[in-house]
Amino acid sequence: DGGITQSPKYLFRKEGQNVTLSCEQNLNHDAMYWYRQDPGQGLRLIYYSQIVNDFQKGDIAEGYSVSREKKESFPLTVTSAQKNPTAFYLCASRVGQGVNSPLHFGNGTRLTVT
Amino acid sequence: AQSVTQPDIHITVSEGASLELRCNYSYGATPYLFWYVQSPGQGLQLLLKYFSGDTLVQGIKGFEAEFKRSQSSFNLRKPSVHWSDAAEYFCAVGEGNAGNMLTFGGGTRLMVKP
Repeated sequence: DGGITQSPKYLFRKEGQNVTLSCEQNLNHDAMYWYRQDPGQGLRLIYYSQIVNDFQKGDIAEGYSVSREKKESFPLTVTSAQKNPTAFYLCASRVGQGVNSPLHFGNGTRLTVT
Repeated sequence: AQSVTQPDIHITVSEGASLELRCNYSYGATPYLFWYVQSPGQGLQLLLKYFSGDTLVQGIKGFEAEFKRSQSSFNLRKPSVHWSDAAEYFCAVGEGNAGNMLTFGGGTRLMVKP
């Protein structure tokens, strides 16, 4: 079955460490996205990529980095510069670039930094 | 800039009762509108979308939503709620140009009483 796989589901890190969240899709979608979800704040866009080897900053990109070396993969690194990294992170993809193409979401990774 | 407001953070309804979740948006042109549902610890699933045409749109799981331009609203409704509908619901708006992102509301958490 096609879908988006995020791993791991739960991740724990010490403050000051970088951590990378995995996102893989087998939907053959061109565009991929990373969102951060905090209680009561909805989803906020961190980074997005519309094609391989290209990505753009979203609304809250500071303290994060991404790469898009393969169409199927869009890993997110939460760096030590991110001041408040504990959150639920969602990866999504869509078949085209237009907003009228619905987003497909993974099941998320909950990151806890202590 | 576009924005989405979901005025109700929490709503509790009895099983079998009707449901209406409110969504108001701020956007100059005709928006693309979406409702997503999120079960605990999961990603988001698309319930329905509005792009143009009939202002009453039908979605999955018996949900519908009505676009009212004069009120800048896109409220989600269901005539009879089931216990399995307990989840968090997100309204989202997108611009019509390719490459533009969705803006999400803060979400409404629905609880269903037996």
